[in-house]
Amino acid sequence: AQSVTQPDIHITVSEGASLELRCNYSYGATPYLFWYVQSPGQGLQLLLKYFSGDTLVQGIKGFEAEFKRSQSSFNLRKPSVHWSDAAEYFCAVGVVPTDKLIFGTGTRLQVFP
Amino acid sequence: KAGVTQTPRYLIKTRGQQVTLSCSPISGHRSVSWYQQTPGQGLQFLFEYFSETQRNKGNFPGRFSGRQFSNSRSEMNVSTLELGDSALYLCASSSGQGNEQFFGPGTRLTVL
Repeated sequence: AQSVTQPDIHITVSEGASLELRCNYSYGATPYLFWYVQSPGQGLQLLLKYFSGDTLVQGIKGFEAEFKRSQSSFNLRKPSVHWSDAAEYFCAVGVVPTDKLIFGTGTRLQVFP
Repeated sequence: KAGVTQTPRYLIKTRGQQVTLSCSPISGHRSVSWYQQTPGQGLQFLFEYFSETQRNKGNFPGRFSGRQFSNSRSEMNVSTLELGDSALYLCASSSGQGNEQFFGPGTRLTVL
């Protein structure tokens, strides 16, 4: 069955520190993978996506993610976190050829000054 | 380009009532999907429409229904509301076929 696991429910980092949010997926074929961010009371904003090709993808706001097929992972990284990055982050796998997304449970990021 | 818009943004209903939520996709997008977000269940897929046809449906009871119009605007309806239907309902649009989806701000439904 298709699924996405985000093992970390809540992460706290200091401003300026590096960040890695974990995501593992289960999917029978080559996955379409996404990271979305949600600020309180808002919808979801796409940070980056992986469809094929280069396994290291760059996104907005200085985020990047690496697709590792052998580990079924698509971890999100940022070298230096800003206070404005505090939000909830969702990893998702796309069920092609439809537009259905299966989301992980999310990781809430808290940033301390 | 205008983003995905959802109306209304907030709704308060009582148990047993029905509700209709509306979603206007980004111009040119033919695919609209709906998701329910709750603290307990997270983000769950409701259904997807492409060119007025329901292409995919999640595991929700028949009280949840939707439709898409020829201009790609979509509505979802929930009949006989239950307390557990209180949630943020998110709509997303895309050009279709697994491309990236753009989400609206959501409709916050509270059932009393």
